[in-house]
Amino acid sequence: GQQVMQIPQYQHVQEGEDFTTYCNSSTTLSNIQWYKQRPGGHPVFLIQLVKSGEVKKQKRLTFQFGEAKKNSSLHITATQTTDVGTYFCAGTSGGSYIPTFGRGTSLIVHP
Amino acid sequence: NAGVTQTPKFRVLKTGQSMTLLCAQDMNHEYMYWYRQDPGMGLRLIHYSVGEGTTAKGEVPDGYNVSRLKKQNFLLGLESAAPSQTSVYFCASSYLGGRSETQYFGPGTRLLVL
Repeated sequence: GQQVMQIPQYQHVQEGEDFTTYCNSSTTLSNIQWYKQRPGGHPVFLIQLVKSGEVKKQKRLTFQFGEAKKNSSLHITATQTTDVGTYFCAGTSGGSYIPTFGRGTSLIVHP
Repeated sequence: NAGVTQTPKFRVLKTGQSMTLLCAQDMNHEYMYWYRQDPGMGLRLIHYSVGEGTTAKGEVPDGYNVSRLKKQNFLLGLESAAPSQTSVYFCASSYLGGRSETQYFGPGTRLLVL
């Protein structure tokens, strides 16, 4: 079945440094979504990418979808303590509406 | 709108006890999901439903049963709880149609099985 791998599992950064998490799928994806989960909270939808090579920005966050639609990345510029949490990618493929989640990357920001 | 709600928020069970977790959504979503989240394991799909009266197995269905008698509710049952079922359980729902499968998550239920 479809597998979605996400790296790294954890990332410690100093406030102000950049952060990137990567997501790779074993199959071509129809779309990919990104979610953020604050400590003690629940996952919250951030964005969805659909087109090959698509790049979307939300303030300091940049999301990319690979040309082959098998990988994606989330980049945060100049991290802040409010960015702390776990970031998940979730991909769907083969016409299914059921996404497969990566295991997430936990971002720890040191002030 | 309340979105997705879950009850209870926290529960302690003894091994062998049973319980039902309730998920309710007021967004008229067709799809509903149950996940469990364990440290380092991400979100693992237990069961899901594509509409009222239908359910299907996810990645880790053993030891759980579900029912979707009403479109807005999705119940997760543990017939005989085991310590391995200690976890945080999240319910989610999504709209069927278009090109968006955005999932809306509930606040979670923290379950401890002793």
